[in-house]
Amino acid sequence: GQNIDQPTEMTATEGAIVQINCTYQTSGFNGLFWYQQHAGEAPTFLSYNVLDGLEEKGRFSSFLSRSKGYSYLLLKELQMKDSASYLCAGMDSNYQLIWGAGTKLIIKP
Amino acid sequence: GAVVSQHPSWVICKSGTSVKIECRSLDFQATTMFWYRQFPKQSLMLMATSNEGSKATYEQGVEKDKFLINHASLTLSTLTVTSAHPEDSSFYICSARGRGGGGPQETQYFGPGTRLLVL
Repeated sequence: GQNIDQPTEMTATEGAIVQINCTYQTSGFNGLFWYQQHAGEAPTFLSYNVLDGLEEKGRFSSFLSRSKGYSYLLLKELQMKDSASYLCAGMDSNYQLIWGAGTKLIIKP
Repeated sequence: GAVVSQHPSWVICKSGTSVKIECRSLDFQATTMFWYRQFPKQSLMLMATSNEGSKATYEQGVEKDKFLINHASLTLSTLTVTSAHPEDSSFYICSARGRGGGGPQETQYFGPGTRLLVL
């Protein structure tokens, strides 16, 4: 079956760094997405990885290891506005997204 | 780039009425559009996938006669909730994927969502 696993909730301190892990099992693989969703709002696109390695985009970076079925989202210099749910989604051979349940990130001052 | 709009953002209606939600890609061609539903504190649930000019593909358990989807052009898809009941109250979100979005072509860009409350 297809499955995405990520922690339910994480807590971090303003100014710190946090890494949100995601493991995936998909039928075929066409990439791994990370989205941010603030409470009551729709998801917004953060990153897309289809090759192994680290993609850096400002304070946010995303890593992929296809052999391990593993990805992480790294958030640096955390700000209060980063408090949100972070959704990991794997794209299968039919280009369908398989969604994780999301990781709720709580930032404390 | 890659802006998706949804209208209306809020709907309150009486039980038994039908509600239409519009989803538009404003600055790119959406060859594929997706409709999701999300209940409070739960993950996104894909309802259906539609390609421009063809019938939507519904996920298991989603009634196609109740949730009518039309994707008549490369910039517009509509979801009609027919004979809505209180259990249909939810947050409905569309997303679009296609050419000219600015990011990877496989990326889904989401509309802001529509909150439906059926009394």
